[in-house]
Amino acid sequence: QGQLVQSAAEVKKPGSSVKISCKAPGDTLTSHAFSWVRQAPGQGLEWMGRITPSFDIAKYAQKFQARVTISADKSTSTVYMELNGLRSDDTALYFCARGGIMVGYMDVWGQGTTVVVSS
Amino acid sequence: DIQMTQSPSSLSASVGDRITITCRASQEIRNAVAWYQQKPGKAPRFLLFAGSRLESGVPSRFSGGGSGTDYTLTITGLQPEDFATYYCQQYFSTPIFSFGPGTKVEI
Repeated sequence: QGQLVQSAAEVKKPGSSVKISCKAPGDTLTSHAFSWVRQAPGQGLEWMGRITPSFDIAKYAQKFQARVTISADKSTSTVYMELNGLRSDDTALYFCARGGIMVGYMDVWGQGTTVVVSS
Repeated sequence: DIQMTQSPSSLSASVGDRITITCRASQEIRNAVAWYQQKPGKAPRFLLFAGSRLESGVPSRFSGGGSGTDYTLTITGLQPEDFATYYCQQYFSTPIFSFGPGTKVEI
């Protein structure tokens, strides 16, 4: 199925932005959709948004609509998630996950990227 | 938005037990539900989709069922490696998704 490889952990100041990458194998980018899911310490999974690179269409959870941008670079098979206006409660493990274009279950997951927001 | 709830939030079980986790959606989701297993510090593992269809490579002791708003994940013959947290996810409202809060299965 192939792996999704995410970028390294980040430490950020409150109010700043973070941009995390997720590299997909081969030519899978245009045949799938990619979601970002986060998990705060000791908490459950929270879906943030999804991009369908073949159509360049991104959809976001209402909670994150104003602060998140998900993008894709087909030339490098990489998906990105940028979160602005970071707060301490954005400290979490962020996952990218692959799904079907027409269906929403996520069959392949990245290893996760830890983002710590601290002054 | 479709809200997902799970019960119980945690349960204690023994190796060999049969356990059932329930997931309830705030509206009809027509079997558009997936289940995931997660161990601490690891990425979730995809188990089932369409309510009852097992992902390739997932042991047959895992099964899913349900309809309408109520869905179940059953593990028959719990194994040591099954102690983990389980999440349901609805994808009826694709491309907008939501997860349940999780059920922790403990020894």
